[in-house]
Amino acid sequence: AQSVAQPEDQVNVAEGNPLTVKCTYSVSGNPYLFWYVQYPNRGLQFLLKYITGDNLVKGSYGFEAEFNKSQTSFHLKKPSALVSDSALYFCAVRVPRDDKIIFGKGTRLHILP
Amino acid sequence: EADIYQTPRYLVIGTGKKITLECSQTMGHDKMYWYQQDPGMELHLIHYSYGVNSTEKGDLSSESTVSRIRTEHFPLTLESARPSHTSQYLCASSAPGTGGARYGYTFGSGTRLTVV
Repeated sequence: AQSVAQPEDQVNVAEGNPLTVKCTYSVSGNPYLFWYVQYPNRGLQFLLKYITGDNLVKGSYGFEAEFNKSQTSFHLKKPSALVSDSALYFCAVRVPRDDKIIFGKGTRLHILP
Repeated sequence: EADIYQTPRYLVIGTGKKITLECSQTMGHDKMYWYQQDPGMELHLIHYSYGVNSTEKGDLSSESTVSRIRTEHFPLTLESARPSHTSQYLCASSAPGTGGARYGYTFGSGTRLTVV
């Protein structure tokens, strides 16, 4: 069965420090991987995706993610955190032949001023 | 501008009332989805549709129903609201075919429902 795991319910980072939000996946076949962000009382906004090619993908708001096939991971990163990055982050995976995306449980990122 | 719209944004309603949450998209997407999200976090798929006159139940059992009479419109109805239905409801859509899989989902802003 396909699954996505976000092992941390919450991540706290001081402003200006690098941040990492972890995601691992389990799928059969080559996955499409996504990160979404959700601000309070809003829907999910697309941040970035990995489809194929370069393992390091860059997205909105200075975020990037690294696809690691051997570790089946797709961690979200940012070199210098901002207070405005505080939000809920979802990792998601989709197998090309499937119509549904599977979401992780979400990680709350809290950037401390 | 192509987008996905949900109305109302917020709704407070009494127990036993019938409600319909609206979701419309202008992107021509054939696939549409409803998610329920309790405060805090996890998304639960409650309904989805792959086209007109096609609806399926999702992973989480829900007392709500949906319809898909037009491609662009995917309303969700609760015949008799209860406090246990209090939640945020998110609508999403996806482009057709395997090519559409590359683009993920587009989400509406959500409806926050409170049943008192």
